[in-house]
Amino acid sequence: GAGVSQSPRYKVAKRGQDVALRCDPISGHVSLFWYQQALGQGPEFLTYFQNEAQLDKSGLPSDRFFAERPEGSVSTLKIQRTQQEDSAVYLCASTRTPGRNNEKLFFGSGTQLSVL
Amino acid sequence: KNQVEQSPQSLIILEGKNCTLQCNYTVSPFSNLRWYKQDTGRGPVSLTIMTFSENTKSNGRYTATLDADTKQSSLHITASQLSDSASYICVVSAGNNNDMRFGAGTRLTVKP
Repeated sequence: GAGVSQSPRYKVAKRGQDVALRCDPISGHVSLFWYQQALGQGPEFLTYFQNEAQLDKSGLPSDRFFAERPEGSVSTLKIQRTQQEDSAVYLCASTRTPGRNNEKLFFGSGTQLSVL
Repeated sequence: KNQVEQSPQSLIILEGKNCTLQCNYTVSPFSNLRWYKQDTGRGPVSLTIMTFSENTKSNGRYTATLDADTKQSSLHITASQLSDSASYICVVSAGNNNDMRFGAGTRLTVKP
C-alpha cells in the first residue's frame, strides 16, 4: 500500500482481555517501530524491529506486552490481560533504512485502545 | 525528566496570524531534530529535519530554526490556516545510539 496501515482503527476491550494490534508497514521498509501515545502526550517508544529482528524492546512497559514481526514485514503488538492504564493510541511507524537516525518516520493512523 | 520540552502546551490563534512554537532539548550528543505535525486521529507527519550545521529550514509556510549551542529549536508558522490546527511534535535524535526522543507536543488551534 501507499502508507503504513494499522488495524483495527479502534478497539474496546474489557479489563483482562487479550488484544492484538496489526501494522502493515510500507513495502520494503526495513525498520519498524511501535509507540504508545497517551492523550495529550507525545509518542513513547515501545519497541523496534530491523527486518524480523527485534533489536530493542526496552520500552515495553511490562511482560504483558509482546511484539513480533516474523517475516520482516507485518508486525503484531499483543497485549495480554489488558489493564485500564493500557488505554492509549498505539502508533506504528516504518522507515526505509536500518537504524534509528531520525530518518523520516512514516506513521500509521494508530489503533485507539480503550480498556473498560 | 523529559529530554525534549515543548512550549507552549497549547495555543489558540486567529486565522492569518503567525505563531512560533518552541522546543528545548537536553539530548546529547545531538544528531538531528525533526518537527512533526499530527492531525487529530492521525499519525505524525514529518515537516522538517535539521542537523547540527543547519540553523534554518523552510517548508512552505513552516520555518524551523535551530540553535545547537543553546539547544533550542523553534517552528514558525506564517499566515496560519484552519488546516494548521494540529499537534506539533519535536523529535531529537541522539548521536550515540541514534535514540529518538519525542516532546509532548504543542496543540495549535487556528480559529476563523
